[in-house]
Amino acid sequence: AQSVTQLDSQVPVFEEAPVELRCNYSSSVSVYLFWYVQYPNQGLQLLLKYLSGSTLVKGINGFEAEFNKSQTSFHLRKPSVHISDTAEYFCAVSNFGNEKLTFGTGTRLTIIP
Amino acid sequence: EAGVAQSPRYKIIEKRQSVAFWCNPISGHATLYWYQQILGQGPKLLIQFQNNGVVDDSQLPKDRFSAERLKGVDSTLKIQPAKLEDSAVYLCASSTQQGIYEQYFGPGTRLTVT
Repeated sequence: AQSVTQLDSQVPVFEEAPVELRCNYSSSVSVYLFWYVQYPNQGLQLLLKYLSGSTLVKGINGFEAEFNKSQTSFHLRKPSVHISDTAEYFCAVSNFGNEKLTFGTGTRLTIIP
Repeated sequence: EAGVAQSPRYKIIEKRQSVAFWCNPISGHATLYWYQQILGQGPKLLIQFQNNGVVDDSQLPKDRFSAERLKGVDSTLKIQPAKLEDSAVYLCASSTQQGIYEQYFGPGTRLTVT
């Protein structure tokens, strides 16, 4: 069985500062990795995904993530955050050939003006 | 392109009552998912449909939860009878086909059981 750990439940960051949201996964087989964002009272929206190829993945809204197989991590980064980035961010994993997603518990990103 | 539609957006019921949620996926999306998101947790998959057939319902509490997807389009999730621990946001998602690995989520239905 696979699992996802998001160590930080809340991350406060000053506007225009960089941010990193951490995600570690556990799986006995090869995986696909995802980051979703959830704005207040809305559903989840896909930010980016890693299926294969380059380990550095670029997504929407200036976010990127790097897949590190040896450390079983898929951390999300943004060089300069904006007030509009305030949201809950979820890391998720699925196994090869299976579209079932297992989500982490989420990280609430708060941008401080 | 219209997104995934869900109704109602909010529902308050007493324990032991029944409740139903409706989902209309994006047109042409063959796969439909229902997730339960308890406050402070990530979404948990309850059931996955491919067209009108069930692919995975291993985490659906079948003694009280049921779901159907008639004609491979709309879907309904029902809880009967509801318990306090069923208070959560119920999210519906859809995707186009196998191998794309992108699910589109609706806004969810927030259920409060008192």
